[in-house]
Amino acid sequence: KQEVTQIPAALSVPEGENLVLNCSFTDSAIYNLQWFRQDPGKGLTSLLLIQSSQREQTSGRLNASLDKSSGRSTLYIAASQPGDSATYLCAVRQALYNFNKFYFGSGTKLNVKP
Amino acid sequence: DGGITQSPKYLFRKEGQNVTLSCEQNLNHDAMYWYRQDPGQGLRLIYYSQIVNDFQKGDIAEGYSVSREKKESFPLTVTSAQKNPTAFYLCASSIDRGDETQYFGPGTRLLVL
Repeated sequence: KQEVTQIPAALSVPEGENLVLNCSFTDSAIYNLQWFRQDPGKGLTSLLLIQSSQREQTSGRLNASLDKSSGRSTLYIAASQPGDSATYLCAVRQALYNFNKFYFGSGTKLNVKP
Repeated sequence: DGGITQSPKYLFRKEGQNVTLSCEQNLNHDAMYWYRQDPGQGLRLIYYSQIVNDFQKGDIAEGYSVSREKKESFPLTVTSAQKNPTAFYLCASSIDRGDETQYFGPGTRLLVL
């Protein structure tokens, strides 16, 4: 069964720092990997989607990489800002019989201090 | 303006009571999902539906029920059999194709009185 792990569970950094969030998964037979942002009491917002054939995706200050063979992904946030404070979740999409299931990590709670 | 709506934002349940959470989407997606999120944990799949009039149990379906009578609607009922219902409930939808993403609603927080 696919298991998705995120390390660290929480991270606190001063404003302006570059930082890396980690995600690992146990089964490399995935369609894609996605990074989401969740603000307190809110739904999930998609940040970056990496297809299984891709190595990385970039959006603004965010860069996500995927190493499918080793079961790892990283989310790099450049020049962090207080507005980046949120919980970041990664998820992999995988075929399960006739259903494309999403498996989620438990998230990294990020606090960027002004 | 396309998206997913959930209501209510907060819901209170008395012991022995069934309550229903609403989820509506106007994205024309075939697939819809219900997840439960507990503090510090990832999302756990309760039920999913890939097409109208069909739905399947996810990993934690006990104590929950759903219906899918219309493409745009996928209500979740939390029954009295669910002994620990306090959680944040998220509805999502997607095109049922492996390379596509999921879109999430704003969530409903269920509390027990």
